[in-house]
Amino acid sequence: EPEVTQTPSHQVTQMGQEVILRCVPISNHLYFYWYRQILGQKVEFLVSFYNNEISEKSEIFDDQFSVERPDGSNFTLKIRSTKLEDSAMYFCASSALTLNTEAFFGQGTRLTVV
Amino acid sequence: GESVGLHLPTLSVQEGDNSIINCAYSNSASDYFIWYKQESGKGPQFIIDIRSNMDKRQGQRVTVLLNKTVKHLSLQIAATQPGDSAVYFCAETSGGGADGLTFGKGTHLIIQP
Repeated sequence: EPEVTQTPSHQVTQMGQEVILRCVPISNHLYFYWYRQILGQKVEFLVSFYNNEISEKSEIFDDQFSVERPDGSNFTLKIRSTKLEDSAMYFCASSALTLNTEAFFGQGTRLTVV
Repeated sequence: GESVGLHLPTLSVQEGDNSIINCAYSNSASDYFIWYKQESGKGPQFIIDIRSNMDKRQGQRVTVLLNKTVKHLSLQIAATQPGDSAVYFCAETSGGGADGLTFGKGTHLIIQP
């Protein structure tokens, strides 16, 4: 069964450092997403990406965040200067079609900023 | 502001019993709803979805009911099993695929032996 894969599973970084979280969406999917989940809280939308550009972003997705699809398979989330409050699980998701269809989530990357 | 939320943070049921998890939403423009299951340390796993032009949809052991009049969504799990223990989130969107999902806070379902 096709799945969304994310690497690394756990990333520890010092405050102020840049991190890149990597995702390989399901191959025939067209929409890509990043979500985050702070420990014990609900999943929050960060950004959606379609046709090589951002489609929508939330208030959380400020200038410190960027996304990129550097090749035909990878989808990355970069945080330029990490803050302690960026510590969370970051989930990548992808969906197939343009009209509401289920999004498949990866297993997540746990980011710990120290 | 508009939000999606769940009524109960924890629901405990006996193995083999049926369970019902509820969700209220306030965005009247919502037209697509999904239930996700999240086990500890894992990403959300799709369970079942429903579009706003339907009021009921059934899957294997699961049924989703949508009441647009009162903006209420429920997930029914029949004959619960230990593997059903997880946190269940409802999520909604009003976009055409580009919009992100708005998740509720989650209900922790505990299946007691």
